[in-house]
Parts: sequence; structure tokens; C-alpha cells
Amino acid sequence: EVQLVESGGGLVQPGGSLRLSCAASGFTFSSYWMSWVRQAPGKGLEWVANIKQDGSEKYYVDSVKGRFTISRDNAKNSLYLQMNSLRAEDTAVYYCARDLIYGPGFVDYWGQGTLVTVSS
Amino acid sequence: EIVLTQSPATLSLSPGERATLSCRASQSVSSYLAWYQQKPGQAPRLLIYDASNRATGIPARFSGSGSGTDFTLTISSLEPEDFAVYYCQQRSNWPPKYTFGQGTKLEIK
Repeated sequence: EVQLVESGGGLVQPGGSLRLSCAASGFTFSSYWMSWVRQAPGKGLEWVANIKQDGSEKYYVDSVKGRFTISRDNAKNSLYLQMNSLRAEDTAVYYCARDLIYGPGFVDYWGQGTLVTVSS
Repeated sequence: EIVLTQSPATLSLSPGERATLSCRASQSVSSYLAWYQQKPGQAPRLLIYDASNRATGIPARFSGSGSGTDFTLTISSLEPEDFAVYYCQQRSNWPPKYTFGQGTKLEIK
């Protein structure tokens, strides 16, 4: 059974940092593009970043470029999101997501999400 | 940046009725379009990808159509569990960046 379990969310002050982790199991992690998608309270979905199977390609939504870094450790079946210079508008539930096997584009499995709150 | 516009914002129907949800792209996305269902407090679920392919385990009452800029998600006969928020999503050709529509809330009439 595919499982994606996020951790690392919490309350952080504006300008602070947080590192999210996602533990993957039930599939060959190193074979898939992976993504982070977020959802502000009561709002819609927003794609944040994705990463190629070997970590050689990474892409970001413009609003987080230069502040967030996506990474992965295939030996540990883990995905990460390092978030720096956090702003109030980064407050959201952050989902770890697996893309379809044939390439980046669409998410077929989602974690349960971890809430990040940026507030003083 | 490609913008996806979903309509209507809210759709009120009864169980057994047919639902038609629309998603329009600001420029062509070919067939790189997906539909997701999200219920309160849950993660989204993939329904349709590549505009018309049903994801694994998705009932046949869900179907997708369209290409280019105009797409439709059809639910042929609504079941009680189908009332939720639906999002369309596109992937840009390259680099692979994704954008979502603002969502359509399907509510019980």
C-alpha cells in the first residue's frame, strides 16, 4: 500500500525557517517524480515544487523560488522541503505528493498533509 | 503562466442527476489536464488524467473530455459520496510546472 507521511509542520514566526519531511513507503520511491502541493485555509490547491527521480531537476512556483528548496534521499525513501524566509502567505497545509509513473504532471497519491502556520 | 478558470463556482444538484463541470485554460494545454476530487478534511483524489483517462479505481460514472483550452468533467449519475469540491489542473509542457483551477463546489440541492 502506498503511504506518504508528512512531518515537520508547526507554528513559525515571519522570516523563520522550517523543514518538512515526507516518508514514503509501499512503492519504489526512486522511480517517481515527487511534488509538494499546498492549500491555504479555506482556499484552493497550489503546486509548490517538484523533483525528478534522481534529484537532478527541480522546479518551483515563482512565489517560493529562492526561499524554498526541495530535495530527496532515495536511500531513505524521503522527500524534503526546506522553507526559509517564511511569510504569512505561506500558511497552508502542505501535501507530499507522488506523480504518475510515466512522468511529471499529475498526482496519483497524496499524504495527509502537515499544517504550517506563519504568524507572530 | 497558464490560468485555469473553472465554472460554475458552485453547482447544486440532486443525487441521480448528471453533473457537468467546466475548466477553461488561458492558452492551449494540449491534453495535459487532470481532475481531482476533494472532500472536507481529506487530501485530493485523482479522478482523470490526460483529459480523459480515468485513474485507477475511479468509477465509470466519471468521465473527462476536451483538449486545447476547453475541458469537461461529467458525472453521469450523482451518488451521495460525489458531493465535494472538484479541481482541474494542468502541467506546462516544459519545465513541468503545475497550476490548479480555483475549484467547483458540487453541493446537494
